[in-house]
Amino acid sequence: AQKVTQAQTEISVVEKEDVTLDCVYETRDTTYYLFWYKQPPSGELVFLIRRNSFDEQNEISGRYSWNFQKSTSSFNFTITASQVVDSAVYFCALSEADRDDKIIFGKGTRLHILP
Amino acid sequence: NAGVTQTPKFQVLKTGQSMTLQCAQDMNHEYMSWYRQDPGMGLRLIHYSVGAGITDQGEVPNGYNVSRSTTEDFPLRLLSAAPSQTSVYFCASSYGSGGPDEQFFGPGTRLTVL
Repeated sequence: AQKVTQAQTEISVVEKEDVTLDCVYETRDTTYYLFWYKQPPSGELVFLIRRNSFDEQNEISGRYSWNFQKSTSSFNFTITASQVVDSAVYFCALSEADRDDKIIFGKGTRLHILP
Repeated sequence: NAGVTQTPKFQVLKTGQSMTLQCAQDMNHEYMSWYRQDPGMGLRLIHYSVGAGITDQGEVPNGYNVSRSTTEDFPLRLLSAAPSQTSVYFCASSYGSGGPDEQFFGPGTRLTVL
């Protein structure tokens, strides 16, 4: 069964520090998709990235980067030079495309960036 | 485009009452889903639909019904509200073809069951 584990419940870092949010997933499928979403204090859910299981290339988007490693079933998210506006809850999610495309989320990591 | 809209934004129910949370999208998305968000529990999938006329259960379907008679609408029905259903409910939609895609979320409905 598909499962997403975000072991870090809450993280606090000082502004300008780098921070990595961990995501470990479980699946028996060979074709699957991984996602990251951000939920700022205002409550809306914002899509950050989608990655399929056949593309292990790391992705960088500005200060954000993602490290996908199938060998360890991880899809970690790093924020470089963090800013106060990065304070939010971050969710990792998994969809097993071999089955029915339903998307399951982890419990989220609450990130506090301290000024 | 309005995107994904949800009504109402807030609702208070008494135990045993029923109600329907409305969700609509104007992006012609095939895939729609309902999640509930509780503190410390993340987003849990209640029901989802891969197209009109097709629905399936998610992780926590008990106490909820859905139907998908049109591509645009995906209402969530609470049959007999219980305090355990106090939560924030999010509806989402995505293209759903070529593999699950970015989900667009509605603003949420905050439900309190007394």
